[in-house]
Amino acid sequence: DVKVTQSSRYLVKRTGEKVFLECVQDMDHENMFWYRQDPGLGLRLIYFSYDVKMKEKGDIPEGYSVSREKKERFSLILESASTNQTSMYLCASRVDIRNSPLHFGNGTRLTVT
Amino acid sequence: GDSVTQMEGPVTLSEEACLTINCTYTATGYPSLFWYVQYPGEGLQLLLKATKADDKGSNKGFEATYRKETTSFHLEKGSVQVSDSAVYFCALSDQDNAGNMLTFGGGTRLMVKP
Repeated sequence: DVKVTQSSRYLVKRTGEKVFLECVQDMDHENMFWYRQDPGLGLRLIYFSYDVKMKEKGDIPEGYSVSREKKERFSLILESASTNQTSMYLCASRVDIRNSPLHFGNGTRLTVT
Repeated sequence: GDSVTQMEGPVTLSEEACLTINCTYTATGYPSLFWYVQYPGEGLQLLLKATKADDKGSNKGFEATYRKETTSFHLEKGSVQVSDSAVYFCALSDQDNAGNMLTFGGGTRLMVKP
């Protein structure tokens, strides 16, 4: 089975801190994604990557950046955390074949105080 | 652009009741359609999918038929269990989308009471 591992289940950070959310997948998938999930808003795509060192903005990239130095790892960076970035963050990966499903990690619940 | 609309929840049912969660979509190309399920405290898991018109996806007693004429992909189950309580997301993947991204609906929470 594909495994997508997010390094933390819960994080509490202070406003203005730099925050790193880490995600690792073990199936050599080309595509990786970061979503945030908020009540009433569903899943919104922040960034995605289709190859090492490649990245594309999703629907809500403002306030975030990403890094993909190795194929298996995709990091989400909050340069200066703000309270409106309190959310559930979900990482996903997918093989680069049409109709292939997304495989999700268990999520990181981030609280910014 | 592409979009997915789901019925708002929560949907509350008694055990063994019939379930239908409505999902309609708009897409510029020829999308594939998916249902994902999120159990409490977990990430999303693929429940079923359909890749072309009139295809029926099925898994764990759930079914959904890709209806191109009505642009719908409603999720159905004949007899729900307490263990089906979760949030259900309808999604589409449009071959014309850069990066092969998925577009998700807002999710529908299902609560099944014993």
